[in-house]
Amino acid sequence: EVQLVESGGGLVQPGRSLRLSCAASGFTFDDYAMHWVRQAPGKGLEWVSGISWNSGSIGYADSVKGRFTISRDNAKNSLYLQMNSLRAEDTALYYCAKDMSGDYVEEGPDFDYWGQGTLVTVSS
Amino acid sequence: QTVVTQEPSLTVSPGGTVTLTCASSTGAVTSGYYPNWFQQKPGQAPRALIYSTSNKHSWTPARFSGSLLGGKAALTLSGVQPEDEAEYYCLLYYGGAPVFGGGTKLTVL
Repeated sequence: EVQLVESGGGLVQPGRSLRLSCAASGFTFDDYAMHWVRQAPGKGLEWVSGISWNSGSIGYADSVKGRFTISRDNAKNSLYLQMNSLRAEDTALYYCAKDMSGDYVEEGPDFDYWGQGTLVTVSS
Repeated sequence: QTVVTQEPSLTVSPGGTVTLTCASSTGAVTSGYYPNWFQQKPGQAPRALIYSTSNKHSWTPARFSGSLLGGKAALTLSGVQPEDEAEYYCLLYYGGAPVFGGGTKLTVL
């Protein structure tokens, strides 16, 4: 059974940093690209970042470019999102999602499994 | 800035058929945009329904189908069930950056 479990969310002051993690199980993690998607309270979904199986292709939404860094550790079956210079508008539920291919940039994104999310609240 | 547009809300009767659409501000949607469709119910994570325009996941009910229609991506529900009441999101790919639509709230009444 595929499982994606996010962690690391919490309350953080504007301008500070936070690191999210996503622990994956039930599939061969290093075969697939992964994504972070967020959802502000009462709002729609926003793609945040994606990373290919070998970290060779990485992308970011314009809203987080230069502040957020996606990474993965295939030996630990884990995906990460380092979030710096956090703003109030980054407040959201952050989901980890699996792609069906190894490189979403080359092959196009096709999502299948999602985690339950971890809540990030940016407030003073 | 690229905008993906969906109907804000639609209402359908149980047993009826409804089509949700997904338009791109850049022009006609083609298979090269890799349209994906997701269902989200209140308090739950999104669930993937359709990928690459028309492909279903193993868990996708047969009454859901994806297509291209009139320059847009489309999700058709045939024989709608009460449990299909949910928010539906589409996703289009713009060469490195996927973009979600704003969502369609489907009411089954």
